[in-house]
Amino acid sequence: QKEVEQNSGPLSVPEGAIASLNCTYSDRGSQSFFWYRQYSGKSPELIMSIYSNGDKEDGRFTAQLNKASQYVSLLIRDSQPSDSATYLCAVNDGSGNTGKLIFGQGTTLQVKP
Amino acid sequence: ETGVTQTPRHLVMGMTNKKSLKCEQHLGHNAMYWYKQSAKKPLELMFVYNFKEQTENNSVPSRFSPECPNSSHLFLHLHTLQPEDSALYLCASSQDPNQPQHFGDGTRLSIL
Repeated sequence: QKEVEQNSGPLSVPEGAIASLNCTYSDRGSQSFFWYRQYSGKSPELIMSIYSNGDKEDGRFTAQLNKASQYVSLLIRDSQPSDSATYLCAVNDGSGNTGKLIFGQGTTLQVKP
Repeated sequence: ETGVTQTPRHLVMGMTNKKSLKCEQHLGHNAMYWYKQSAKKPLELMFVYNFKEQTENNSVPSRFSPECPNSSHLFLHLHTLQPEDSALYLCASSQDPNQPQHFGDGTRLSIL
């Protein structure tokens, strides 16, 4: 069974620090990787997508992908209390272009003022 | 309206009732999805539609019946549900199955 693993946390960081969220996946055929943010009681919101090895930066967010290690991470610089949420890692099913995403359980981030 | 809109936001129903969830996307996307999110479990894909055609059924029980009349609308018809079906049901859409998916606000379903 194809899986996406995340540490459920909570990960607690002080305001202004760098938060590092990690994800591993089992499907070597996966080509598309996404990070979603989900506030309590709300729906997931796409914050980053990454498709090739290396780093991708967007504002305070940096996604990192290493396909050889089957590892994807999200760094949040200058963390703010408003970043407190659950972060979901999602990976496409590599067996075909079906749109099937496999989600991890999510990591809860707490940014303390 | 913009984005992905789901109605109703909350639904309480008995096990013998029949109800439908509605999703509408205003993004011009061609692919639409139904997901189930239960407490303490990862988000779980149920169905995928691409250009109105179902391309994925993730072994979903037949008491859940999807309908996609066009690329902008997606329904989930519910009948004879079980208490374990209580969850948040999320609709999403994307330009195509390889593009990022954008979620609606979900329908919180409770089965009595």
